Amino acid sequence: AQKVTQAQTEISVVEKEDVTLDCVYETRDTTYYLFWYKQPPSGELVFLIRRNSFDEQNEISGRYSWNFQKSTSSFNFTITASQVVDSAVYFCALSEAAGLHSGGYQKVTFGIGTKLQVIP
Amino acid sequence: DAGVIQSPRHEVTEMGQEVTLRCKPISGHNSLFWYRQTMMRGLELLIYFNNNVPIDDSGMPEDRFSAKMPNASFSTLKIQPSEPRDSAVYFCASSFWLGEMVGNTIYFGEGSWLTVV
Repeated sequence: AQKVTQAQTEISVVEKEDVTLDCVYETRDTTYYLFWYKQPPSGELVFLIRRNSFDEQNEISGRYSWNFQKSTSSFNFTITASQVVDSAVYFCALSEAAGLHSGGYQKVTFGIGTKLQVIP
Repeated sequence: DAGVIQSPRHEVTEMGQEVTLRCKPISGHNSLFWYRQTMMRGLELLIYFNNNVPIDDSGMPEDRFSAKMPNASFSTLKIQPSEPRDSAVYFCASSFWLGEMVGNTIYFGEGSWLTVV
């Protein structure tokens, strides 16, 4: 079974503060991928990052950074110097192969999401 | 390139009516997902197609829900008869499945906001 836990349901920060969104996952597979998606108030789901289980290097993209630690099964997301436009719901997701005996498919489980509010 | 296209964007219907949601995946993608999002349950996978074939429909809530993918560029999710508890945002998403490479990014449509009154 796979599971994704985002323990923080809502976070509020003041603009320019740094904020970290936590994601803890469970899987028995050695090969898997992790994702972060952003859902702004307009409702669409926007892909942010993909990371495979063999690459534990941290990644930075502008004000966004991600910390992947297999030892703790965590894939945390940090926003530096937060801005009002960062206000959204952020989803962590785990992808692994399933049904390989019958051809296989991509099974993806999403966390419940963390609602981030950045206050001006 | 166009992303995943869903229609209608918003639908308000009366209980008991049939609802059909439509999706056009990204050209070249061979996997299609239907998700439902509610406040209580978050994002739930309803059904997954690979090469137009339903592979996993374990998330389809009940017989009132059905999904089809007659070709690689079109899928429908039908609810008949609809009930107020079906009110949710329904997302269609697509990706390109490369066998055991599970890291293929899933791209979402903008969602269909369904309200059943």
